[in-house]
Amino acid sequence: GAGVSQSPSNKVTEKGKDVELRCDPISGHTALYWYRQSLGQGLEFLIYFQGNSAPDKSGLPSDRFSAERTGGSVSTLTIQRTQQEDSAVYLCASSLNRRDSFFGPGTRLTVL
Amino acid sequence: EDQVTQSPEALRLQEGESSSLNCSYTVSGLRGLFWYRQDPGKGPEFLFTLYSAGEEKEKERLKATLTKKESFLHITAPKPEDSATYLCAVQARGAQKLVFGQGTRLTINP
Repeated sequence: GAGVSQSPSNKVTEKGKDVELRCDPISGHTALYWYRQSLGQGLEFLIYFQGNSAPDKSGLPSDRFSAERTGGSVSTLTIQRTQQEDSAVYLCASSLNRRDSFFGPGTRLTVL
Repeated sequence: EDQVTQSPEALRLQEGESSSLNCSYTVSGLRGLFWYRQDPGKGPEFLFTLYSAGEEKEKERLKATLTKKESFLHITAPKPEDSATYLCAVQARGAQKLVFGQGTRLTINP
């Protein structure tokens, strides 16, 4: 199928290391979102990309978090100097019309 | 601040026992209210979008309704495969992000 894909599916890292998480949106979808789902918590918005516009970074929890979207398609979420509280499932979603968002399977990040 | 509260947190039903899940929201002008289903270890699966009070949408055993303050997800004669966490989210007018509730964990026993 042509759904949203994310890689890796699981990532275990040591505290202080940098990690990169990848998202491939549905082809043709111009909007892309990153969310974080911590154990027992609801989904938390991180960042939004729409076409060539400046991204909405208002949900990024600290300056250790950054994201980019190359060529209006693939996106990478980077977490620098990871902390244990960064452990969560990171979900990517894409949308054609900024209404119906379709999610990927997520990347489960564990920081030891 | 936009807010979504879902109840109950968890619900156990017998197969065939109909019930409803509640999603109460406060938002500065509603653009859309969304329902998702999430299975363990997977990303949320889109179910419905509702845009205005009085709107209803159906899919198989599920029906979503919307008022100005809340939405209900009615499940009729559920089956064990309907077991999942159901997430509700709102999008405010002019906003891009979805604000999610904590979800209702639904278990259907055979």
